[in-house]
Amino acid sequence: NAGVTQTPKFQVLKTGQSMTLQCAQDMNHEYMSWYRQDPGMGLRLIHYSVGAGITDQGEVPNGYNVSRSTTEDFPLRLLSAAPSQTSVYFCASSLDRVGNQPQHFGDGTRLSIL
Amino acid sequence: QQQVKQSPQSLIVQKGGISIINCAYENTAFDYFPWYQQFPGKGPALLIAIRPDVSEKKEGRFTISFNKSAKQFSLHIMDSQPGDSATYFCAASFDNTDKLIFGTGTRLQVFP
Repeated sequence: NAGVTQTPKFQVLKTGQSMTLQCAQDMNHEYMSWYRQDPGMGLRLIHYSVGAGITDQGEVPNGYNVSRSTTEDFPLRLLSAAPSQTSVYFCASSLDRVGNQPQHFGDGTRLSIL
Repeated sequence: QQQVKQSPQSLIVQKGGISIINCAYENTAFDYFPWYQQFPGKGPALLIAIRPDVSEKKEGRFTISFNKSAKQFSLHIMDSQPGDSATYFCAASFDNTDKLIFGTGTRLQVFP
């Protein structure tokens, strides 16, 4: 039972490049979320999904796209990378809503945009 | 606008001492208040959580105290150990959303 798996663990991009951060969970969780963590800012919600085919925006969605074609996978796409998107990105999943079940986090993707 | 304010930013405690981290919130509709613990290089993990219908919740050495009228809640770590050294985040959410709002984090260092 792997839990929440994020790939890659580290990535360096040039400004303007695009990439996809992968997130997969094997716990059959309906709820999945993407956060970014920046020094002094805590974790901020980018996008979330309450089930396959359903996504919604969080606090800081601009510059990011998501889709949820399966229960297991929730990829995050950077359309045109900017230095302001340098951050640590965490994916999380839960069996139910955040108030009813704990969120399980992956170990993060450390992304640098040059 | 930051809806959950956390303090202090960093905390140094001697082994065996009490660590106290405070959070204040603005939105009275929040009804779920978890604390997450994060070790370097790892994702956050749920430590303990409370709802506003109780004033205190204890799990082992970890206690949440909740003051609804003051819109504040705090994490107390009794008999702090070096293994407790981590970053702690408070958070809040309300039932009609699936969004968790995090505080800015407190880096705790426990020295032997």
